[in-house]
Amino acid sequence: NAGVTQTPKFRILKIGQSMTLQCTQDMNHNYMYWYRQDPGMGLKLIYYSVGAGITDKGEVPNGYNVSRSTTEDFPLRLELAAPSQTSVYFCASSYSRTDTQYFGPGTRLTVL
Amino acid sequence: EDQVTQSPEALRLQEGESSSLNCSYTVSGLRGLFWYRQDPGKGPEFLFTLYSAGEEKEKERLKATLTKKESFLHITAPKPEDSATYLCAVYYTGTASKLTFGTGTRLQVML
Repeated sequence: NAGVTQTPKFRILKIGQSMTLQCTQDMNHNYMYWYRQDPGMGLKLIYYSVGAGITDKGEVPNGYNVSRSTTEDFPLRLELAAPSQTSVYFCASSYSRTDTQYFGPGTRLTVL
Repeated sequence: EDQVTQSPEALRLQEGESSSLNCSYTVSGLRGLFWYRQDPGKGPEFLFTLYSAGEEKEKERLKATLTKKESFLHITAPKPEDSATYLCAVYYTGTASKLTFGTGTRLQVML
């Protein structure tokens, strides 16, 4: 099993551009999550999904959108990128709400 | 405000010098406390889950313990390869699938 995979690993965007961060898991997990990690701060939840077709906002959803059309995939869309979205983004998945979350390798995004 | 606090922020140890990392929490209705290890440029790697006060889990040189207010990650005779950031996170009643993370302890083990 590959676990949780994320693409791309690195990306530089200009202000106002859009992009999609890809996340795929092969563990048949129902729950999937997007976090961002900024220096000196704990991981912050952006959006999460409890199953295909069901998503909900986390702590810091502004400026992001998600969709979940399959169990395996949970892409994160950035519209109109801003410098405040410069961060490292992690996708995670878990079998159930209280179960261990397993993380992908991350995407380092810089908005200039 | 519900929160998770980790201390110290950074810790430097000599190889073989045992120590403990602390994770204190002020949430009510704890459902689980998770420890992760994170290497630079990598995603968090799961270490342990603790569910109730008094519970202990061990893996190689690491041992995690839990009380009603805090958790400790004890590192016995650490090696340089134990150098990493250790993250603590809690899941508690009413948080609708949200893990609350601490800011981590950066551990450096010197030869």
